[in-house]
Amino acid sequence: DTGVSQDPRHKITKRGQNVTFRCDPISEHNRLYWYRQTLGQGPEFLTYFQNEAQLEKSRLLSDRFSAERPKGSFSTLEIQRTEQGDSAMYLCASSFVSGRALSSEQYFGPGTRLTVT
Amino acid sequence: KNQVEQSPQSLIILEGKNCTLQCNYTVSPFSNLRWYKQDTGRGPVSLTIMTFSENTKSNGRYTATLDADTKQSSLHITASQLSDSASYICVVSAGDYKLSFGAGTTVTVRA
Repeated sequence: DTGVSQDPRHKITKRGQNVTFRCDPISEHNRLYWYRQTLGQGPEFLTYFQNEAQLEKSRLLSDRFSAERPKGSFSTLEIQRTEQGDSAMYLCASSFVSGRALSSEQYFGPGTRLTVT
Repeated sequence: KNQVEQSPQSLIILEGKNCTLQCNYTVSPFSNLRWYKQDTGRGPVSLTIMTFSENTKSNGRYTATLDADTKQSSLHITASQLSDSASYICVVSAGDYKLSFGAGTTVTVRA
């Protein structure tokens, strides 16, 4: 399967614990995005990378959240001191943007479902 | 206020019937509009994409329409199948990396 993959698919953790999610984008896609989706809502933008550079972070990304894409390939999203309000589906997407193009289609992974108890 | 509003929030239809989902948006400037299908517990998958100059686009039994003047779009599902049960999300792009998502319409197809 050459699509976007995410690991783990499900995570249950106790409040106050740290969790880390991984996203492997489609090979050679230079952009990678993280979204959060709560039940009955559409995804909300969290942050995105162009290669290894994190270019924008949403105000939803509090200081307990950190994302990295160290080699411009896979990315990790860490949540420290989890709270019950962090329970959501965390989606990763990737795209390839060439030259002066502003955007291109984003391909989504299956998501990681986080439950904080 | 969300810049992409979808209706209805949910609907139930019998297998073989047709249905139409609505999307109104206020995103500006406008670059393109996509409809995604999201199965429960899965990531969204693109069904159609339309730019300003396109007013209809089909993908199998899915037909999307766009009226850029009134900023409205619809997704029509023909001869629904049980596998069409999913959430359908309208997504509008202003031309940069940021996408504006609707909350989705949950479609349940019953035998």
